[in-house]
Amino acid sequence: EAQVTQNPRYLITVTGKKLTVTCSQNMNHEYMSWYRQDPGLGLRQIYYSMNVEVTDKGDVPEGYKVSRKEKRNFPLILESPSPNQTSLYFCASSRALSDTQYFGPGTRLTVL
Amino acid sequence: GENVEQHPSTLSVQEGDSAVIKCTYSDSASNYFPWYKQELGKRPQLIIDIRSNVGEKKDQRIAVTLNKTAKHFSLHITETQPEDSAVYFCAAKDAGGTSYGKLTFGQGTILTVHP
Repeated sequence: EAQVTQNPRYLITVTGKKLTVTCSQNMNHEYMSWYRQDPGLGLRQIYYSMNVEVTDKGDVPEGYKVSRKEKRNFPLILESPSPNQTSLYFCASSRALSDTQYFGPGTRLTVL
Repeated sequence: GENVEQHPSTLSVQEGDSAVIKCTYSDSASNYFPWYKQELGKRPQLIIDIRSNVGEKKDQRIAVTLNKTAKHFSLHITETQPEDSAVYFCAAKDAGGTSYGKLTFGQGTILTVHP
């Protein structure tokens, strides 16, 4: 089944404790992206990747890191999480830049 | 960078009525405009998209129109049904420069269709 998976789905952590949210797709998509969703602000792009080893900043990259060592995986790293990073996070992938993006199920992160 | 404004933030209609959601964008170089639907507690899903070389696109009850001169695009849903109730997001993709590949979303419209 073609899908985008994220783990964990829910996470409660404390300020400063490094964490990684994994994202994996099995559709051989070149383009992958991370978004955060906050009430009233819509979806804001954090980072995106157009191919292996190619990553670029979105609109809200501060406090986040990403890597794209393999085509299928695009982990989101929070080196030192802060409460303002409490949010719902979505990973997405698409075959090409201007193509249907398929979203993962979301990760709800709470930073205390 | 690109800025996308979406209106209205909430929209309430009776079943069978039409619904229209409008978005404006700032970067005239943007060339791809998707619309996503997000039901409560679920992930966003693409419902329709349009590229800058096309003025209108239809898919059954859903249509999107694009006015490049005015830099706005709209989602039209006809004969609305209760299952159309959801949050709808528009987006615009940057076409060049250092922002190539960025996708900027509007703030979302909560559509409620009353039976």
